[in-house]
Amino acid sequence: EAQVTQNPRYLITVTGKKLTVTCSQNMNHEYMSWYRQDPGLGLRQIYYSMNVEVTDKGDVPEGYKVSRKEKRNFPLILESPSPNQTSLYFCASSLWGRDTQYFGPGTRLTVL
Amino acid sequence: AQKVTQAQTEISVVEKEDVTLDCVYETRDTTYYLFWYKQPPSGELVFLIRRNSFDEQNEISGRYSWNFQKSTSSFNFTITASQVVDSAVYFCALSEPFGGGYNKLIFGAGTRLAVHP
Repeated sequence: EAQVTQNPRYLITVTGKKLTVTCSQNMNHEYMSWYRQDPGLGLRQIYYSMNVEVTDKGDVPEGYKVSRKEKRNFPLILESPSPNQTSLYFCASSLWGRDTQYFGPGTRLTVL
Repeated sequence: AQKVTQAQTEISVVEKEDVTLDCVYETRDTTYYLFWYKQPPSGELVFLIRRNSFDEQNEISGRYSWNFQKSTSSFNFTITASQVVDSAVYFCALSEPFGGGYNKLIFGAGTRLAVHP
């Protein structure tokens, strides 16, 4: 089944404790992206990647890191999480840049 | 700058009513894509439709229909004979074009639709 998977789905952590949210797609998509969803703001792009080893900042990249060492994986790293990063995070992928993006199931992160 | 406005924060209807979700967008580009996604209570984002800026033909898919009007920069979504399963948050999004395969979706704030029995 073609899909985007994220792990973990739920995470509660404390300020400053490094964490990684994994994202994987099995559709051989070139483009992958991370968004965060906050009430009243819709979804905003954090980082994106057009291909392996090619990543760039979206609209709200502060406090996040990403890497794209393999085509299928695009982990999101929070090196020192803060409470304002409490949010619902979505990974998305598309075949190429202008194609429809398909989203993972979301990761609900709470930073205390 | 690109922007998507969904002015209706919440809509509440009774089952079998028709409901229209409004979406107004702003862009200076002549080539762009518009999308609707559904987010049911379970939280995932489900792709509903993509429209490119050169295709103003309205689309119907079962009880769903979309009205794209470039003259008013609107891409409205109508659910006919709504059902309880339609209860969800609906997002309208604009694809911001860029060179080299870049693809960023600009989302509206979403409209929460509650369909009551």
